[in-house]
Amino acid sequence: GAVVSQHPSRVICKSGTSVKIECRSLDFQATTMFWYRQFPKQSLMLMATSNEGSKATYEQGVEKDKFLINHASLTLSTLTVTSAHPEDSSFYICSAISGQLQETQYFGPGTRLLVL
Amino acid sequence: SQKIEQNSEALNIQEGKTATLTCNYTNYSPAYLQWYRQDPGRGPVFLLLIRENEKEKRKERLKVTFDTTLKQSLFHITASQPADSATYLCARANSGYSTLTFGKGTMLLVSP
Repeated sequence: GAVVSQHPSRVICKSGTSVKIECRSLDFQATTMFWYRQFPKQSLMLMATSNEGSKATYEQGVEKDKFLINHASLTLSTLTVTSAHPEDSSFYICSAISGQLQETQYFGPGTRLLVL
Repeated sequence: SQKIEQNSEALNIQEGKTATLTCNYTNYSPAYLQWYRQDPGRGPVFLLLIRENEKEKRKERLKVTFDTTLKQSLFHITASQPADSATYLCARANSGYSTLTFGKGTMLLVSP
């Protein structure tokens, strides 16, 4: 149980385009989902916390207009990187927690974004 | 700010030995610490959680300790196997509903 999927697993795009990444909880309802970014040999950096049906809470330094997050249902959250630039190239990972066990985050497999 | 520090150097050990990884935190004790395993190009996988009032937690070949005096958690893998080779992440949280702060992780390499 507690499986989280992400799609796509890899994406290559041109500079200036937008990319949407989906995060789904497959066998549980996720009251809260988190979006992280990880650069090589670095720790996971939290970008934003998203609760179903409400606006996401962004961490300091993360531009909300650039990284659009939508959490429209209890099983789906999306992250859209708008007008992507090469410096946005990174590994994006989502996680989810269920209403019953708030302490443990279940992570998706990650999405590798490369902006040319 | 609250930080999590893990040894950035890779730990190389031989199969069958016990691997011990260290996680140090700053400022006040977190409500709990979590340990995750991350393989290259993959998301982290939850392993163990230990609360502030717990000294030790075990799960199969894994053991985690929490020392609030030293501000440190140790993660042990006994009878290590090459399949245990991965990066192990330590994370802190201040409550059951708060966000996690991750360390950079320590890479473990178990040679046959």
